[in-house]
Amino acid sequence: DPKIIQKPKYLVAVTGSEKILICEQYLGHNAMYWYRQSAKKPLEFMFSYSYQKLMDNQTASSRFQPQSSKKNHLDLQITALKPDDSATYFCASSQGDFNQAPLFGEGTRLSVL
Amino acid sequence: SQWGEENLQALSIQEGEDVTMNCSYKTYTTVVHWYRQDSGRGPALIILIRSNEREKRSGRLRATLDTSSQSSSLSITAAQCEDTAVYFCATDYGSSGNKLIFGIGTLLSVKP
Repeated sequence: DPKIIQKPKYLVAVTGSEKILICEQYLGHNAMYWYRQSAKKPLEFMFSYSYQKLMDNQTASSRFQPQSSKKNHLDLQITALKPDDSATYFCASSQGDFNQAPLFGEGTRLSVL
Repeated sequence: SQWGEENLQALSIQEGEDVTMNCSYKTYTTVVHWYRQDSGRGPALIILIRSNEREKRSGRLRATLDTSSQSSSLSITAAQCEDTAVYFCATDYGSSGNKLIFGIGTLLSVKP
């Protein structure tokens, strides 16, 4: 059974719209992350959360807003979508004091038309 | 960029051969992660080597880390078709959080 659930797996959106990417982990981890993988680019760190608090934000745009309603949830809201936002967004989690390697979900593949 | 290599490399080998993939990084790190990513899947950690280790083995995998030259390698012995994947190395930012910086990756194809 998948331990990190990302929904939906595929998402198509129109430019200017808003979408929420869902992430839930059932590993008991207290740290969660978002990464983005665009075509021909390396995986890129976006956010890290620990105990539902934002620890680090490497995303320049405020259009990307993480939302943590529960300890094991970290959703990603993206507003005013642009074609350049097209990418696969990966949620990840890890235990403890950030010394553990993160475990990644299967990703949400977003296409913005 | 953290990484010296900017372009996705592609390697194609025959089943049973050995292969080594290399990464070099620019800034200090305490650990190098090696991940593999199968098509349509998320990255999966396969081996992690810390700065106090020069070599780490896990089954047919062997990772090395040379902090003086800021480079790491991943070797696969007797590659199998199921080893076909993209392999990434990643470093962390250290104590400020688990912010991994990934390289562009190596696409390894193992042919029967």
